[in-house]
Amino acid sequence: AQSVTQPDIHITVSEGASLELRCNYSYGATPYLFWYVQSPGQGLQLLLKYFSGDTLVQGIKGFEAEFKRSQSSFNLRKPSVHWSDAAEYFCAVGAQGGATNKLIFGTGTLLAVQP
Amino acid sequence: NAGVTQTPKFQVLKTGQSMTLQCAQDMNHEYMSWYRQDPGMGLRLIHYSVGAGITDQGEVPNGYNVSRSTTEDFPLRLLSAAPSQTSVYFCASSSVKPREKLFFGSGTQLSVL
Repeated sequence: AQSVTQPDIHITVSEGASLELRCNYSYGATPYLFWYVQSPGQGLQLLLKYFSGDTLVQGIKGFEAEFKRSQSSFNLRKPSVHWSDAAEYFCAVGAQGGATNKLIFGTGTLLAVQP
Repeated sequence: NAGVTQTPKFQVLKTGQSMTLQCAQDMNHEYMSWYRQDPGMGLRLIHYSVGAGITDQGEVPNGYNVSRSTTEDFPLRLLSAAPSQTSVYFCASSSVKPREKLFFGSGTQLSVL
């Protein structure tokens, strides 16, 4: 069965510092992968997605993620973090069969940004 | 732009009470779903629907009922609330076309005492 692991529950970075959030997945075939962000009291917003092709994908708000099949990873990165990036971040994989709406989510990483 | 609308935003229930969480979308999406979010567990799929009259179970369906009588609405019913159902509930919808993204509502925070 598919699964997603986000090993970091909580991360704190300084404003302006670089960021990398880790995501590992378990899936038998080529996965559909997603990163979502949840601001306090809000629903989830899609940051970026990977279906196929170029393994480095660009998203909104200056985020990018790299798909590495050999490591079963899809880590999220941002070169310079802004205070408004403080939120919870979820990695997700599409359920078996290629569904991009029936998603399996990781447990999330809560990002705090220090001034 | 309404998108996905959930009501109520907050609800407190006593054990054994029933209630319905409402979800409506105005994007003519065929696919709708309910997730619950619990600390340390991420979001887990409760039920989903691929069109009016069609529903199916997700990962954690026990204690919840759904129906889909219209394209727009997908209510989630708790027939006899239990403290274990204290959670934040999210409704999400999308087109069933390939590679379409999920749109999420802003959530309903439910406490069962």
